[in-house]
Amino acid sequence: AQSVTQPDIHITVSEGASLELRCNYSYGATPYLFWYVQSPGQGLQLLLKYFSGDTLVQGIKGFEAEFKRSQSSFNLRKPSVHWSDAAEYFCAVVFTGGGNKLTFGTGTQLKVEL
Amino acid sequence: EAGVAQSPRYKIIEKRQSVAFWCNPISGHATLYWYQQILGQGPKLLIQFQNNGVVDDSQLPKDRFSAERLKGVDSTLKIQPAKLEDSAVYLCASSLDRGGTEAFFGQGTRLTVV
Repeated sequence: AQSVTQPDIHITVSEGASLELRCNYSYGATPYLFWYVQSPGQGLQLLLKYFSGDTLVQGIKGFEAEFKRSQSSFNLRKPSVHWSDAAEYFCAVVFTGGGNKLTFGTGTQLKVEL
Repeated sequence: EAGVAQSPRYKIIEKRQSVAFWCNPISGHATLYWYQQILGQGPKLLIQFQNNGVVDDSQLPKDRFSAERLKGVDSTLKIQPAKLEDSAVYLCASSLDRGGTEAFFGQGTRLTVV
């Protein structure tokens, strides 16, 4: 079955520390992959996306993500977290074929300690 | 470029009442999505339109939810009658097409059913 999983519900990091948020998917081919961020009371904002090509993708706000086919993963990273990065992060996937609908993971809530 | 517009931002109704949400997508975007986001969960796709045709409504509770997209532009989502479990944020998004291109989200409508 096609699915997208974010194993960590909550993550707390200190400001200035590095960050990695995990995302795994289950699919027989390579899907389109996205990371969105949602601040309280706000809509979803796209951080970055992967369709094909270079497996290391750069996004906005200093975020990057790496697609690893062998692990069916698309983890989000940031070398140094800022207090303003506190938000909820969603991994999303388009399983190409069968409607191309955008499916979201359950999200990871990031808390940044000063 | 104007973003995705949604109204109202907030709505409180009693159970068994009806409610409607409105969405105006980004000009020129052929694909329009309605998502339901229950507190603490990732967005769940309710319905996806391509122009004014329905691409996917497999997760739309059709006994109480309905949606239409007039002339392939604006869209309305209706709930009648509402239940307590419909309390959620309803997000509208649009994209140029459904080939996995970026979806832009509105700020959502927060519905509380009491």
